[in-house]
Amino acid sequence: KAGVTQTPRYLIKTRGQQVTLSCSPISGHRSVSWYQQTPGQGLQFLFEYFSETQRNKGNFPGRFSGRQFSNSRSEMNVSTLELGDSALYLCASSPGRLNEQFFGPGTRLTVL
Amino acid sequence: AQSVTQPDIHITVSEGASLELRCNYSYGATPYLFWYVQSPGQGLQLLLKYFSGDTLVQGIKGFEAEFKRSQSSFNLRKPSVHWSDAAEYFCAVGPVPGTASKLTFGTGTRLQVTL
Repeated sequence: KAGVTQTPRYLIKTRGQQVTLSCSPISGHRSVSWYQQTPGQGLQFLFEYFSETQRNKGNFPGRFSGRQFSNSRSEMNVSTLELGDSALYLCASSPGRLNEQFFGPGTRLTVL
Repeated sequence: AQSVTQPDIHITVSEGASLELRCNYSYGATPYLFWYVQSPGQGLQLLLKYFSGDTLVQGIKGFEAEFKRSQSSFNLRKPSVHWSDAAEYFCAVGPVPGTASKLTFGTGTRLQVTL
């Protein structure tokens, strides 16, 4: 089975722009979660989607949003980028909401 | 609120030596506990998990962890470290039944292996 895939792997943007990151979960997995990883804050939960519905959201501003499609693929969007948004964004999928999560390789976002 | 503490930021061990990485959690009921490993530039790989039952759990790559409720700990161990084990290790708690599938991570322990 193919693992979690994330595109693009690397991204460079400037302040004020917006960005969309994509995540394709493992086949059959219906839950997708997003995390932000930075040297200063570590790994922080952004949000979780299950059956196309956002089930929970972390403590991030409204500039961070996401969605899930009927095939369980998910996208996250960050608008009005700030320098502090530079991070590794990790997507994780699981078969259901209470199962262990499998992570993708991440998208490295650099905001200049 | 749930939380995870990994008291050791950086550990160096010699190849072939034993390893123990510490993890303490804070949670009001029986937690779901995980250990993940991250190599540079990579995502997180699940090493092992504890949901219930036997408190000593075996994982991949020869790792094991022991859940000790009385100490709120879930330490990761390996009897003989290989150079390829050099990476960053994260302990995590969650998901909590009845809530979202949210993992709360510790700050990580970077393992260096000397030859």
